[in-house]
Amino acid sequence: GQQLNQSPQSMFIQEGEDVSMNCTSSSIFNTWLWYKQDPGEGPVLLIALYKAGELTSNGRLTAQFGITRKDSFLNISASIPSDVGIYFCAGQPQGAQKLVFGQGTRLTINP
Amino acid sequence: SAVISQKPSRDICQRGTSLTIQCQVDSQVTMMFWYRQQPGQSLTLIATANQGSEATYESGFVIDKFPISRPNLTFSTLTVSNMSPEDSSIYLCSATGPPRNEQFFGPGTRLTVL
Repeated sequence: GQQLNQSPQSMFIQEGEDVSMNCTSSSIFNTWLWYKQDPGEGPVLLIALYKAGELTSNGRLTAQFGITRKDSFLNISASIPSDVGIYFCAGQPQGAQKLVFGQGTRLTINP
Repeated sequence: SAVISQKPSRDICQRGTSLTIQCQVDSQVTMMFWYRQQPGQSLTLIATANQGSEATYESGFVIDKFPISRPNLTFSTLTVSNMSPEDSSIYLCSATGPPRNEQFFGPGTRLTVL
């Protein structure tokens, strides 16, 4: 089946540093989404990308839909303590409404 | 964005029993889905809840174990049947709707089976 490879699995950074994570797949996706999940909560949608090459920002977050439609990255600039959590990429396959999720990136920030 | 609520938020159940989880959306949505998230893992799609008809299950999930109902556009239930400790997970409801069919999630139901 379709799989998303998300990396890195975990990150330990200092407050104020920039963060970058990405997802790749052997399959083409029509839509890429990035979610953040805090402990005990459901995933919260951060950014949605709909077209190959699209670059979208949401505050300190920037994400891009890869030109091949098989990858996406998420950058967080000037990290703050509330950025701590697990970040998931998700892709929507062609012709489907369901999502395929990456394995997640656990972000830890040292103050 | 749609606001999704789930009940119960958590439960501790005995082996062999069944639990029904409810999902309510505050606006009309196109699609509703049920996911499972095992401890420390990513989300895995169980099934797509279809209004007025049988759900569409993903590989590895069957209706006898996870019966799903969706009687109207904004409400769905997932039952975890004949539970075993391996069913201990977070169960998440999600929905897509206009204008861009982005998928939003409920807060999840944390299930522990003893």
